[in-house]
Amino acid sequence: EADIYQTPRYLVIGTGKKITLECSQTMGHDKMYWYQQDPGMELHLIHYSYGVNSTEKGDLSSESTVSRIRTEHFPLTLESARPSHTSQYLCATGGRIQYFGAGTRLSVL
Amino acid sequence: RKEVEQDPGPFNVPEGATVAFNCTYSNSASQSFFWYRQDCRKEPKLLMSVYSSGNEDGRFTAQLNRASQYISLLIRDSKLSDSATYLCVVNSISGTYKYIFGTGTRLKVLA
Repeated sequence: EADIYQTPRYLVIGTGKKITLECSQTMGHDKMYWYQQDPGMELHLIHYSYGVNSTEKGDLSSESTVSRIRTEHFPLTLESARPSHTSQYLCATGGRIQYFGAGTRLSVL
Repeated sequence: RKEVEQDPGPFNVPEGATVAFNCTYSNSASQSFFWYRQDCRKEPKLLMSVYSSGNEDGRFTAQLNRASQYISLLIRDSKLSDSATYLCVVNSISGTYKYIFGTGTRLKVLA
C-alpha cells in the first residue's frame, strides 16, 4: 500500500488568503490526483498528474492550481480562498488502484 | 444522469445479517471496477476490485455484470465494524486511470 501524506489535516482560514495544501508520497508512483468531497457527497476529480511537469484539470472545475516538480510532491494552491472553497480535499496516488491520503478539511470563513 | 449510481441508503441491519449493495454505471467502455470503503470523516480505502467472474474476500463477494452495467457487493455475517459508506468506483475511460465515484451507500450494523 502507498504511503501518502497530506498536510495540514485541518485548516481554518479567512477569505482572501493564499493557501497551499501539501501532498507527498513515498512509493515513486507517477500518477497523482486531487479530489474534492463535500459532506455526504461523492468525490470529484479536480486535478491529476501523470508525472513530473504533467498536470491536467479534472472533471470538476476548480479555481485551484497544482504543480508537479518532483515525483513525490503534488501541492494544490488556492490564490485567494473563499467560503465556497470550504470542503475536504483528498490526494491520491497509484494507477489502476488508487490510494488516498487522510485528506485536508478546509474551512474558509 | 450520473455516470455511477448507487442507492444512498442508509441500510440499517442487525449483526449477522447479509446485505447487498448495487451500483450501475453508464459508460459501457469502462474497464475497471472497485468497491471502496469510507468511514465517517476518513479517506476511502480499497475494499476489493470487481471482476466479471466474481470475486470473494472472506465475507465479501463482488460481482460485475457488463451486459447490464451493474456491480454488486454482498456482505455476509455483518459485523458492527462493517458500518461505513461503501463507494462504487469505475474507471471511466480505458487507460486514463480517472476514477468516477458513486455517492456511496451508507451501512449501519446494529447490535
